[in-house]
This record gives sequence, structure tokens and C-alpha cells, in this order.
Amino acid sequence: QQQVKQSPQSLIVQKGGISIINCAYENTAFDYFPWYQQFPGKGPALLIAIRPDVSEKKEGRFTISFNKSAKQFSLHIMDSQPGDSATYFCAASLGARGSQGNLIFGKGTKLSVKP
Amino acid sequence: GAVVSQHPSWVICKSGTSVKIECRSLDFQATTMFWYRQFPKQSLMLMATSNEGSKATYEQGVEKDKFLINHASLTLSTLTVTSAHPEDSSFYICSARRRVRPYEQYFGPGTRLTVT
Repeated sequence: QQQVKQSPQSLIVQKGGISIINCAYENTAFDYFPWYQQFPGKGPALLIAIRPDVSEKKEGRFTISFNKSAKQFSLHIMDSQPGDSATYFCAASLGARGSQGNLIFGKGTKLSVKP
Repeated sequence: GAVVSQHPSWVICKSGTSVKIECRSLDFQATTMFWYRQFPKQSLMLMATSNEGSKATYEQGVEKDKFLINHASLTLSTLTVTSAHPEDSSFYICSARRRVRPYEQYFGPGTRLTVT
């Protein structure tokens, strides 16, 4: 019940295209859903996050879509650029209520954007 | 804001020696710090959670006597890998949580440990 399932494992997109990464969870008590971007040899960087009281959040070219009933959320990268090539991790936690909930990570998606 | 640093960024040590990795929150006070381990092409594996002034809480399967964690202040946590062996070679990453928006975690740049 603590798992977060992420797909696809890898993704190749042409420059200017839309990259879509999906995650699913089981624990309905999760209330914070961040996405992290990690470049090789670097630590993950918080990209964008959503809480379950909204269905969509957009920051620049990055959008999270959240479907509470389906227990799924996804990351959309519009106008994908070669600089977006990285590994993306979704995560979920119980932490938005100020508790000490740890992040449960998906297995990651390696995105390659071809010029 | 919310910058976390790690030192060193990479370290090579001989089998049987100990190595210490520092994690600092540079512009905020960290109520909680976390240590993760990441193998190549894999996700992050939580090793332990520590709060300032109290003992770390280790995840199941993580040897507390091998991976010593000290959360000395609200801006500094250290991970000491004792009697390191080649199988301890990995990428170690810390993260920190602050009082404001405590559900967010900010990650350091990671430390690459190679044990020869």
C-alpha cells in the first residue's frame, strides 16, 4: 500500500514534443505529490508538487494532472527541450499535514529529448 | 532559498577505513534530515531519518552500527560509514525539511563513495 508505481521506465521524445510520465498510488491517505528532476551525478531537485485538493497545477512548461478517484497523477512537459533530458521521480507522502511522513518514490523515468 | 550542501562531493577510501559525509542546510534550519542511498539507474532508498538532538531512526535492513548518523545542530547532519567495504560504494544523498512547509524535502548534490 506504500508503493508508488511509475511508468514508463524510459521515454524518448522529439524536441518540441510533449513528455508524459504517469504515477499511481494505493494509499488514499497520501496528501502531497511532488515530482523531482535528477541529472546524472546530481541530487534530485524539486520540480513541481501538488496536493489532492486541486486537479491540475502548472508552472511554466511543467504541469501536474491529478486524478484523485483513479489514484493517479502525471507530469506533462510541454515543448520538451534537450536540456530536459534527465531522470524524473514522482513521490508521495503523508507530510502535508505537518507530520513526519517520509517520501515514497517511484522507480524513475529516464527522459531523452532528441534535437 | 532552501539550499542543501554536501561535502565531499566524491571520496575514495580503502576497505576497512571509515569515511564521514557532511550535510548542511545553508539558508534555513532543518527540523529533520534524511539520508538516502542510490545505486546506478535506481530510485532513492531511504536509509535513516534524524531530528536535531535525537537519535536517528533507521529503516529496516540498514545497519545502524555501520552507518552512524549524527544530527549535531539544526543545520548539520553527518553520515559516517564505518569499516567500509566495496559493497558500500554508492551515491549517498541527504535531504532536509524545514519548519515552513514541512512536507517539502530539499536534496543535497550527493556524495559518490568508492571503496577500493
